Amino acid sequence: AQSVTQLDSQVPVFEEAPVELRCNYSSSVSVYLFWYVQYPNQGLQLLLKYLSGSTLVESINGFEAEFNKSQTSFHLRKPSVHISDTAEYFCAVSDRMNYGGSQGNLIFGKGTKLSVKP
Amino acid sequence: EADIYQTPRYLVIGTGKKITLECSQTMGHDKMYWYQQDPGMELHLIHYSYGVNSTEKGDLSSESTVSRIRTEHFPLTLESARPSHTSQYLCASSLAATGELFFGEGSRLTVL
Repeated sequence: AQSVTQLDSQVPVFEEAPVELRCNYSSSVSVYLFWYVQYPNQGLQLLLKYLSGSTLVESINGFEAEFNKSQTSFHLRKPSVHISDTAEYFCAVSDRMNYGGSQGNLIFGKGTKLSVKP
Repeated sequence: EADIYQTPRYLVIGTGKKITLECSQTMGHDKMYWYQQDPGMELHLIHYSYGVNSTEKGDLSSESTVSRIRTEHFPLTLESARPSHTSQYLCASSLAATGELFFGEGSRLTVL
């Protein structure tokens, strides 16, 4: 079974500052990794994902995450945040071998609320 | 752009009432899901479906039930609501091949 730990429940930062949202996972098998974002009063949207290939993945709005197998981490970073990045961010993991089946359903972390202040 | 819709967005009802939360998607996705979301907690999968006439219970035990009579429709029903059912319920769908989940905006249920 997999599990996800998001180490920070809330991260306040000032606009244009860099930010890192931490995510560690636990799994006995190979995994796929995801970051989802939830803006106020909305559902979750996929921000980026690691399935295979380069361990550094990027989103269209400047976020990036790096898969670190040895540290079982998938931290999310952005070099300069905007007010509009204020949202809750969820890290999720899925069993690679059983992806698409009942064993491969996504397991989510508790979320990190990013608050960007002017 | 994702096309998955949930109604109602907000519902306040009394204990003992029967409620149905509607979820529809127009993307032709086979898999659909219901998650329960509470503040500061993980999203918990309560039901999912592989396709028409397929329903499975998720990781979190729930007194709700679901049905999948049509590909695009995956309603969730509570026969007798209780205050412990107060939560936000998120519906999602995915293509089996990619696994990316597309979420609706959620239904926030308050049971008095």
